[in-house]
Formats: sequence, structure tokens, C-alpha cells
Amino acid sequence: QKEVEQNSGPLSVPEGAIASLNCTYSDRGSQSFFWYRQYSGKSPELIMSIYSNGDKEDGRFTAQLNKASQYVSLLIRDSQPSDSATYLCAVFGGSNYKLTFGKGTLLTVNP
Amino acid sequence: NAGVTQTPKFQVLKTGQSMTLQCAQDMNHNSMYWYRQDPGMGLRLIYYSASEGTTDKGEVPNGYNVSRLNKREFSLRLESAAPSQTSVYFCASSDRGQVNNEQFFGPGTRLTVL
Repeated sequence: QKEVEQNSGPLSVPEGAIASLNCTYSDRGSQSFFWYRQYSGKSPELIMSIYSNGDKEDGRFTAQLNKASQYVSLLIRDSQPSDSATYLCAVFGGSNYKLTFGKGTLLTVNP
Repeated sequence: NAGVTQTPKFQVLKTGQSMTLQCAQDMNHNSMYWYRQDPGMGLRLIYYSASEGTTDKGEVPNGYNVSRLNKREFSLRLESAAPSQTSVYFCASSDRGQVNNEQFFGPGTRLTVL
């Protein structure tokens, strides 16, 4: 059974700080890794994709992938109250061609 | 581009009633998916369609049927609704020709079964 694990939170950070969100996955054959942001009452929105080991930066967001440790993270620099949402980690590939989601981490950025 | 659209946005059913949730995408994607999201359970795949003309079961298919009407449209049917099917339902699509399988979600349907 493929599993994707995230701390449920809530993770609370002050405005302007760095928020660090973590995710581990069980299937070593996984190929692609995604972070989705979901505001309360809204649908998941894709914010980052990463496919190879290392860091990928997009604006204030940095995704980090370590396949040897089966670990994916998302860093949000200069956190804003508008970043307050649930962040979902999703993993694709491996034993089947399906996207498996973690249960999400609730992030609260305090003004 | 509207992306992925879903109708209705909200629905209340009585136990035993049937209904169809509609989904359409205008991104020319090959693959489409139906998920349900419940508190504490995360997103769970109900059914998916890898390409036009094919459908496959996901993690929680019992009590549901699907139809891939054409490349754009993928519907989800509840034949006899049960309170356990109270949930938020999301449709998603992706271009399965690419390994990365980035999925894009519709706005969701909030379903309550009494």
C-alpha cells in the first residue's frame, strides 16, 4: 500500500518567517512529487512540482526532494497571512500510475 | 479557459435517491479523475479514466458508477445514495501522456445525504 505521510499540524508561524512543510512516502519507485494548496472550502491548487533530487524554487516557494530518504519538503519564505491554508503533498508513479495524497498540513500565518 | 468545471456546486439528497455529478475540462487532457474528500481521510480516488473510452476503479469505488462521455466530460453517478456518501467530490484532469501527471482540480460538489 502506497502511503504519503504529513504532519497534520496546525503549523503556526509569524508573518515574514519561513514555513517548513514535510512529507514522507513509502514507494521507492515514485517518480513525481507535487504540492497543492487548499484554502478552506476550496479545491486543491497545484503550486509546485518536482521530479529530481535537489531544490526547485518558484518565487517564495522552494520544493526539496531527497529520493534516498523518501522525503519531500516545501519551504515558504516571507510567509504571508494569505499563505494560511492546508498544504497537500502528492506522489505519483511507482507500482501504479495513480496520484496518492497525504492528509495535509494546516498552516496558519499570524500577522 | 475555464479549466475544470463541475455541476452542481451543492446538492442535498435523501437516502436512496440517485444523482449524477457532471465534470468537464477544456484543457484537452487525456485523463480524468473523481475524488472524494472527507475530514481526516484526505483525498481518495473513486474512479479514473486514463483516456477516452476507458474507466478504472480507484480506492473507494463501491456505490458509484462513471461514464467517460467524450474527451471533455466525465460523470459520476450515485445510484442509491447513502449517508456515508456525504462528502465533497472533486473532479480532476491531467495530460497522462506526460509522466509528471500534474492534475488540475475543479471547484467541487458538496453533497449531503440525509
